[in-house]
Amino acid sequence: GAGVSQSPSNKVTEKGKDVELRCDPISGHTALYWYRQSLGQGLEFLIYFQGNSAPDKSGLPSDRFSAERTGGSVSTLTIQRTQQEDSAVYLCASSFDGTVNTEAFFGQGTRLTVV
Amino acid sequence: EDQVTQSPEALRLQEGESSSLNCSYTVSGLRGLFWYRQDPGKGPEFLFTLYSAGEEKEKERLKATLTKKESFLHITAPKPEDSATYLCAVHTGANSKLTFGKGITLSVRP
Repeated sequence: GAGVSQSPSNKVTEKGKDVELRCDPISGHTALYWYRQSLGQGLEFLIYFQGNSAPDKSGLPSDRFSAERTGGSVSTLTIQRTQQEDSAVYLCASSFDGTVNTEAFFGQGTRLTVV
Repeated sequence: EDQVTQSPEALRLQEGESSSLNCSYTVSGLRGLFWYRQDPGKGPEFLFTLYSAGEEKEKERLKATLTKKESFLHITAPKPEDSATYLCAVHTGANSKLTFGKGITLSVRP
């Protein structure tokens, strides 16, 4: 597709269950970001992938959160043992090379609700 | 730690009533400041990048300006379709994350 694609659009899960969120970046983009947007809050950085470099995981809030990017393309964000405070919109973005000269394009997000 | 503060949190305008949205920042080594627009239920949409103090960029009714401490998004004669949340973000470092403010929710009444 032409843009960043995220799936599912919405996910309702029970507390304690694991969830996987998927992101398909724009073809050819080497940089990929995950952000979390909670109600009334700004976008919170989670993790950044750039090519084959080690990812910047500095924003992951706990060890229940992990992400991988296979083949430099598709990325999966996994949340284990979900908690109610994990409820938020999870946004993925990609950019051509992650430098300041290339803007990040965002997907429509996955709305996660933990009940 | 990089900080981005946007004000006001919400702004209600009458159609045609011009105004400005503020983004103040405290960062170590600004490489770029970004403005995004976000509509409900959608991801942010890129508007502008500003790189250095004194720079200005325009797009339709929007004009973004940058100083060493803040950026303004000026909206001239807004229309109801300009209603959205406007996000400001800073880019620091060679290849790194964007740090976002909380956004300003703009509502333009017809």
